Amino acid sequence: AQKVTQAQTEISVVEKEDVTLDCVYETRDTTYYLFWYKQPPSGELVFLIRRNSFDEQNEISGRYSWNFQKSTSSFNFTITASQVVDSAVYFCALSIPNRDDKIIFGKGTRLHILP
Amino acid sequence: GAVVSQHPSWVICKSGTSVKIECRSLDFQATTMFWYRQFPKQSLMLMATSNEGSKATYEQGVEKDKFLINHASLTLSTLTVTSAHPEDSSFYICSARDRDQYYEQYFGPGTRLTVT
Repeated sequence: AQKVTQAQTEISVVEKEDVTLDCVYETRDTTYYLFWYKQPPSGELVFLIRRNSFDEQNEISGRYSWNFQKSTSSFNFTITASQVVDSAVYFCALSIPNRDDKIIFGKGTRLHILP
Repeated sequence: GAVVSQHPSWVICKSGTSVKIECRSLDFQATTMFWYRQFPKQSLMLMATSNEGSKATYEQGVEKDKFLINHASLTLSTLTVTSAHPEDSSFYICSARDRDQYYEQYFGPGTRLTVT
């Protein structure tokens, strides 16, 4: 069975600090996709990144970066120089292609950026 | 980019009535759509997978007679909450898989249902 664990329920940091959101996943499949989504107070999910299991390169997009390590089954997300607008709930998720394509979400981490 | 719409964005209904929520893919065709439910401060839980032209597949614990799903075309899926009760109040989100870009899945903005 597949599972995504986000151990940090809630994090608060002061603006401009860096913050890392942890994600650990479980699957026996060798081919899978990992995702990060942002859910602001409006509720709409914002897609941030998708990474397939064969691509372990780290990704950087502006202030956002992702560290994928298959050896520890982790896909961590770091926000550098955080801003108040980064306040949201962040979900890590997993899907298995060519099976049912269901996206399995972690429980989410609520991030508060304090001014 | 691909857009998925949901209608209505919010709805309030009385206990015992039925409510229909629409999920549309606006600029792509979706052979598969997914329906999720999200309670306050909780994660998204998959309710069912809807394939165009066939019956939906429900997740364990989801009452198929209560949550009727119809996927009549490649751009529209509907979720009907029948005989709604206050405990059905939730945020319902759909996602649609692009038929031509198999691994791309796009989420709608969600529908907030309040049953009084």
